[in-house]
Amino acid sequence: ETGVTQTPRHLVMGMTNKKSLKCEQHLGHNAMYWYKQSAKKPLELMFVYNFKEQTENNSVPSRFSPECPNSSHLFLHLHTLQPEDSALYLCASSQDPGGFYEQYFGPGTRLTVT
Amino acid sequence: GQNIDQPTEMTATEGAIVQINCTYQTSGFNGLFWYQQHAGEAPTFLSYNVLDGLEEKGRFSSFLSRSKGYSYLLLKELQMKDSASYLCAVMDSNYQLIWGAGTKLIIKP
Repeated sequence: ETGVTQTPRHLVMGMTNKKSLKCEQHLGHNAMYWYKQSAKKPLELMFVYNFKEQTENNSVPSRFSPECPNSSHLFLHLHTLQPEDSALYLCASSQDPGGFYEQYFGPGTRLTVT
Repeated sequence: GQNIDQPTEMTATEGAIVQINCTYQTSGFNGLFWYQQHAGEAPTFLSYNVLDGLEEKGRFSSFLSRSKGYSYLLLKELQMKDSASYLCAVMDSNYQLIWGAGTKLIIKP
């Protein structure tokens, strides 16, 4: 595998379910990100990890819980979500979060909360 | 607050030239990025500008004027595969990317 991979690609869950999104990067990057993309809205940065340490948490509700066990893997644990959480969740990585490096994105997980 | 503005949608003809504008108001400036995103796919990096002027990369060029808080992406010799959304993003003083909502470009034969 190359680049940034995400699983699952599609997920439908009820409001009482617990699920996890997985992201893996094969680029040797030090920083990883979770974004939420809703139709016709700007990308919303949710979390940033630098060398496995969380450096940003942009006022994200606690029903979203990130985990970064190492610099190649990133998870987003979901529980008791709301219908408005339905969106495309994108994972990205970059060489360094504080530098002028482009971010490489995964294909995303299309989440539908019923 | 921080804001990135770009047109919601544009239409152009195959073989023509199109210019997608982006204006920004951010807390500091550490560069401006353009990304391309095809429907259902990941955004992919197109260009990065930090100094004023035009950067050319094949059929795509990106321009920046820091004094005007303005950038544009110029696409020449349009092809059907250029139909996509184009995202403008500015890196602010905290090195955080502030994103625009994207411009959906529709190419007609």
